[in-house]
Amino acid sequence: GIQVEQSPPDLILQEGANSTLRCNFSDSVNNLQWFHQNPWGQLINLFYIPSGTKQNGRLSATTVATERYSLLYISSSQTTDSGVYFCAVGSKLTFGKGITLSVRP
Amino acid sequence: DTGVSQDPRHKITKRGQNVTFRCDPISEHNRLYWYRQTLGQGPEFLTYFQNEAQLEKSRLLSDRFSAERPKGSFSTLEIQRTEQGDSAMYLCASSLHYRGSNEKLFFGSGTQLSVL
Repeated sequence: GIQVEQSPPDLILQEGANSTLRCNFSDSVNNLQWFHQNPWGQLINLFYIPSGTKQNGRLSATTVATERYSLLYISSSQTTDSGVYFCAVGSKLTFGKGITLSVRP
Repeated sequence: DTGVSQDPRHKITKRGQNVTFRCDPISEHNRLYWYRQTLGQGPEFLTYFQNEAQLEKSRLLSDRFSAERPKGSFSTLEIQRTEQGDSAMYLCASSLHYRGSNEKLFFGSGTQLSVL
């Protein structure tokens, strides 16, 4: 099956800093989504982005499907951005292991 | 609240007992998915429905697991003869699927199962 690798596994930021989270995948896909799992376990859909670039407030995402990677950008990070960020790809969504982000005040 | 709802939020059971979880998807969504998540891992696909039809089951879904979506609305996931290895968060998600759709998945809060 398709493999999904996310990096870095852990990230610690000072409030206000910017960050880039990466997702590599092993096969071409027509479905890629980014999720944020908050400390209470709720998964929030951030982007549906099989290709191209989208922006939503302080968050933006870019997927380069031909090179099989996607990037999630977080600007001016806030403590509420803390949690685990997952990339998921494919028709039934194969998830990566996630990136644990901690934003310190 | 018109999001995906799951019940119960937590379930503690003894090994060998049967348990059943319920998921109510977003009302207009025709697809419903079940995932399982263990600590430190991403969710793993178990099965999904389009309306009342179960279209695919993962090899993770042993014969002790069964899922139904009888009228194409809510779904139940039953685990028979639970084992300690079944302890996990069981997540339900739903989406609106049609040809050429942007099929964003929306997740419920999950049911945390602990098998003692």
